Amino acid sequence: EVQLVESGGGLVQPGGSLRLSCAASGFTLSNYEMNWVRQAPGRGLEWLLYIDSSSRTTSYADSVKGRFSISRDNAERSVYLQMNSLRVEDTAVYYCARVLWGGHMDLWGKGTTVIVSS
Amino acid sequence: DIQMTQSPSTLSASVGDRVTITCRASQRISSYLAWYQQKPGKAPKLLIYQASSLESGVPSRFSGYGSGTEFTLTISSLQPDDFAIYYCQHYDPYLWMFGQGTKVEIK
Repeated sequence: EVQLVESGGGLVQPGGSLRLSCAASGFTLSNYEMNWVRQAPGRGLEWLLYIDSSSRTTSYADSVKGRFSISRDNAERSVYLQMNSLRVEDTAVYYCARVLWGGHMDLWGKGTTVIVSS
Repeated sequence: DIQMTQSPSTLSASVGDRVTITCRASQRISSYLAWYQQKPGKAPKLLIYQASSLESGVPSRFSGYGSGTEFTLTISSLQPDDFAIYYCQHYDPYLWMFGQGTKVEIK
């Protein structure tokens, strides 16, 4: 089955760190660019980070620049989101999504929940 | 920065109605415009890409149109499964922008 599965979410204190993983199956991850998108409770979708298929190019939303980073291991069929200096406002469901030419995202994981609270 | 604004924010409609959601960009954009449907507790689902291309497996009652600064998503005959939140999304190389969402609810 073609799918993305996020993991690594949980409860973390403000200022803490967390690493999310996105495992791909049913397709060749190395052929695709990937995004991380989040959704705060009751809010809309917010794009966060992008990585191309070979990790040469990444881009970040201003809201996470300097705190979050994206990486991938195509051999492990996984994409990662390293989150540092977490804030209460980073509380959200975090999704990874496959990016196609033209920027649309055709495959999404079910998401993993991050709660930042003391 | 380009802003994407959807209207209305909430739309009340009945089964069988034709509904249209509008997504306006703060400046002229390319046709790299996608539409997603999201149901509570679920991930977004791609409906339309490149403004008017229907994603495989999506019912033909969904259609997209537009260019420049104004884009629309139309559901020709609303079905019970269509009550959800809809988001537009624009891609400007290496930056993605979502509209704030339109909730389609039962009238």
